[in-house]
Amino acid sequence: AQTVTQSQPEMSVQEAETVTLSCTYDTSESDYYLFWYKQPPSRQMILVIRQEAYKQQNATENRFSVNFQKAAKSFSLKISDSQLGDAAMYFCAYRSAPNDMRFGAGTRLTVKP
Amino acid sequence: GEEVAQTPKHLVRGEGQKAKLYCAPIKGHSYVFWYQQVLKNEFKFLISFQNENVFDETGMPKERFSAKCLPNSPCSLEIQATKLEDSAVYFCASSRLGTSGSYYEQYFGPGTRLTVT
Repeated sequence: AQTVTQSQPEMSVQEAETVTLSCTYDTSESDYYLFWYKQPPSRQMILVIRQEAYKQQNATENRFSVNFQKAAKSFSLKISDSQLGDAAMYFCAYRSAPNDMRFGAGTRLTVKP
Repeated sequence: GEEVAQTPKHLVRGEGQKAKLYCAPIKGHSYVFWYQQVLKNEFKFLISFQNENVFDETGMPKERFSAKCLPNSPCSLEIQATKLEDSAVYFCASSRLGTSGSYYEQYFGPGTRLTVT
């Protein structure tokens, strides 16, 4: 079974600084997709970024970028120039089949002004 | 629509009562998923559909939970005889049908908060 591990239950960052959230996963598949979702206090799940495993280039969306290390099965999220609105729970997710999505336990990010 | 819609936003039920939650997936999405998120924030997968067919129901406590996705109707998740531990936020998500090798992200609704008293 595929599992997704987020080893940091909580992280904190100063406004305008950079923070990296960790995610590792276990799989025997070669083709799969990885995602980071953000869940602010409103509980709405918002897709932050996605990465296709067959692509070597790391995905980037504005201030959000990933460091995808396929051999190490690692998929970390880097948030640059952190803003107060980035404070949320962040979930790493893995998908290898059309009907399967696995989530990590989440990392709570606090942004200090 | 362009967003996953879930109703109601909040639902309060006495223990033993029935609860029914609804989800309208994004138009054109073939897959629908239901998740339960309890206070410790972990997502528990309940059930998924491909169109109106159940695809995977391994997460469903079948003795009390049931779900449907009928054509031209919102999908529904029903809990018979609710228990205190059913208190959670229930999320519905939908996803496109990918071409071979493409598995798209899931788009989530705003959730229904169920409180069982």
